[in-house]
Amino acid sequence: QVQLVQSGAEVKKPGASVIVSCKASGYTFSRYALHWVRQAPGQRLEWMGWVNTDDGNTKISERFQGRVTFTRDTSASTAYMELSKLRSEDTATYYCARGYTIFGLITRPFDFWGQGTLITVSS
Amino acid sequence: EIVLTQSPGTLSLSPGDRATFSCRVSQNIRGSYLAWYQQKPGQAPRLLLDGASTRATGIPDRFSGSGSGTDSTLTISRLEPEDFAVYYCQHYGGTPPSPPTTFGQGTRLEIK
Repeated sequence: QVQLVQSGAEVKKPGASVIVSCKASGYTFSRYALHWVRQAPGQRLEWMGWVNTDDGNTKISERFQGRVTFTRDTSASTAYMELSKLRSEDTATYYCARGYTIFGLITRPFDFWGQGTLITVSS
Repeated sequence: EIVLTQSPGTLSLSPGDRATFSCRVSQNIRGSYLAWYQQKPGQAPRLLLDGASTRATGIPDRFSGSGSGTDSTLTISRLEPEDFAVYYCQHYGGTPPSPPTTFGQGTRLEIK
C-alpha cells in the first residue's frame, strides 16, 4: 500500500533552518511528484511547491522563493524540504503529498499524504 | 490570482442529515480541476473527490459532487458520525500568473 512517512516534530529558534523528510513506499517513486503543503494552527492548507522525483526539478510558490529547497534521493525513495530563515509565522504542520504533474501542470489532486510534521519556531 | 471561497464557515447538523458544502472560485475554471478533501483533527487531509465529482478510491457513495464554471458543491447524503470534520476544496491545474494550486479556507462540519 502507498505510504508517505515523514520525520518527527522539531522545535527551532528564529533564523534557523529545518529539514523535513518524506519517505515513500508502495509505488514507483519516480512516477509521481511530491508536493509540500503546510498548515498553520487553525488555518487553511497552503501549497509550498513540488519536486519532480524523476529529474529533481522543482516548482516553488512565490511566497517561499529564496527560503525553501526541495530535493530527493531516488535510491532512498525520500524527498526533503528545507526551510531556512525561520520565523514564528512558520510554526505549522508540514505535509508531503503525492501528486501528478505533466509539463509543470498539476493534473490530479493529491491522493496520498504524509502524516505531517509539526515545526515549532520559538525563541 | 484564483481565490476559493467556501461556505458556510461552519455547518451544524445531526447524524442522518444531508450536508451541502459550497466552493466558489473567483474565475471561471475548467470544472474538472477541482477536488474536495476531508480533514479530521490531528490527521492529514484525505482526498474525497477528484475532478469535482469523481470519488477517490474507498470513498463511500454518500459523498457526491457537482458543479462547473465558478461554483462547486460537495454533498453528503446521510451523515455518519465519522463524517464530522473540516472539508476543503482545492483548485489545481493553475497556469501563470495563477499559482498551480489553491485551497479554500475550509468548512467545519460539527455535530448539532
